[in-house]
Amino acid sequence: NAGVTQTPKFQVLKTGQSMTLQCAQDMNHEYMSWYRQDPGMGLRLIHYSVGAGITDQGEVPNGYNVSRSTTEDFPLRLLSAAPSQTSVYFCASSSTSGSRDYEQYFGPGTRLTVT
Amino acid sequence: AQSVTQPDIHITVSEGASLELRCNYSYGATPYLFWYVQSPGQGLQLLLKYFSGDTLVQGIKGFEAEFKRSQSSFNLRKPSVHWSDAAEYFCAVGNNQGGKLIFGQGTELSVKP
Repeated sequence: NAGVTQTPKFQVLKTGQSMTLQCAQDMNHEYMSWYRQDPGMGLRLIHYSVGAGITDQGEVPNGYNVSRSTTEDFPLRLLSAAPSQTSVYFCASSSTSGSRDYEQYFGPGTRLTVT
Repeated sequence: AQSVTQPDIHITVSEGASLELRCNYSYGATPYLFWYVQSPGQGLQLLLKYFSGDTLVQGIKGFEAEFKRSQSSFNLRKPSVHWSDAAEYFCAVGNNQGGKLIFGQGTELSVKP
């Protein structure tokens, strides 16, 4: 199993550009989430999904869109990048069944800089 | 409001000394509690979790945590710290709905030789 994979690892955008951060998992987890990590603020939930076709907002959703057409993929779209979106982005997945239920598995992260 | 507070931003301990990292939470439902560790430039690794049952839980790398409902706390402990434990530690709370965790601000641990 590859676990949770994220691409790209690093990205530099100019203000106003759009892009999609990719996230995929091969564990057949029903739950997937996006977090951003900023110094001194821990991780904050952007959007999450409880299954294909179902998404909901987290704590800091503004400026981001998500969709989940398959169980495996959960892309995060920045519609018009702003310097305030400079951050490290983590994707995570979890399941509510099995011996490791509710444990979130994290991807390696995407470091995004918006200039 | 739901929140997690880690009162200590940075802690320095000597190698071989004991460690306790504090975590307090505010959560309306039955909390599912987690401790994660993050080494520099890396992702997050789960150290341990508490859902129910025995309030003292054992995790990987010799860590343990104790859930105290009356104090809304879930402190992380290790009897003897190793230099490789230097990292940032995050406490998080969630519920049985999955997919949503609330994280504390993190505690950075430095280990003196």
